[in-house]
Amino acid sequence: DAGITQSPRYKITETGRQVTLMCHQTWSHSYMFWYRQDLGHGLRLIYYSAAADITDKGEVPDGYVVSRSKTENFPLTLESATRSQTSVYFCASSDADRGLYGYTFGSGTRLTVV
Amino acid sequence: QQQVKQSPQSLIVQKGGISIINCAYENTAFDYFPWYQQFPGKGPALLIAIRPDVSEKKEGRFTISFNKSAKQFSLHIMDSQPGDSATYFCAASMPSGTYKYIFGTGTRLKVLA
Repeated sequence: DAGITQSPRYKITETGRQVTLMCHQTWSHSYMFWYRQDLGHGLRLIYYSAAADITDKGEVPDGYVVSRSKTENFPLTLESATRSQTSVYFCASSDADRGLYGYTFGSGTRLTVV
Repeated sequence: QQQVKQSPQSLIVQKGGISIINCAYENTAFDYFPWYQQFPGKGPALLIAIRPDVSEKKEGRFTISFNKSAKQFSLHIMDSQPGDSATYFCAASMPSGTYKYIFGTGTRLKVLA
C-alpha cells in the first residue's frame, strides 16, 4: 500500500534500553522528519533528512540517533531510553523540493518508557 | 523568534457555529503557514495552507485569514460540525529552505451536537 507507515504502533520499554522506531514511505519523497508530540508542547522536531545520507538535528535531538541509508526508510533510535522520552512519535515525509510543501504524517508510535 | 503561539488551548462550539483559532509568530522570514487537523489516534493531516502574499484563503468551510503586519493568522471553521471535533495545529515553515515546520501547541476543538 502506498503511504507512510510507522512501526510499532505501541511500545513499552525500560529505562536504559535501546529502542528503534521505524518509518517507511513509498512515495520516494526527498524530505523526511521525526516529531514528538507532548501535551502542552505540540509537535517538536527531533531530526530531519533532506535525502538519503543527509540528516540534521531539529529542536530536540538529544538522546536520539537517526540514519537514512535508503530514501524510503528513516529509523529513529533512542540510544538509552529515559522516562522523559515517553511520548507519541510521528514520522512525516514531504515532496517539498518539488513545490509541494505539505507534510504527510504516519499514524504515530506511542512509546512508554518505564 | 522561532515560536508560533497558538490560542486557545481548547474550544467548545455549538453545531453550526463558527470556530476561530489564532496563531502568532515573530519571525517575518516564515514563508508558508499550514493548518493541520488531528483526530485521536491518528497523525496530523494537512487541512489548508497559505503564503504571506495572500490575506485570505478559503476551502469549503475552512478559511485562513492572514495579517502580515500583525504577524498573525487564524483558522475559521464555518458551520462547525461534530465531525470537526479534533485537535488543530498551526505551523510556520522555517525560512532556511529546509522545509522544517515550527508547530503551535494545538487547540482541542469540540463541537456539540
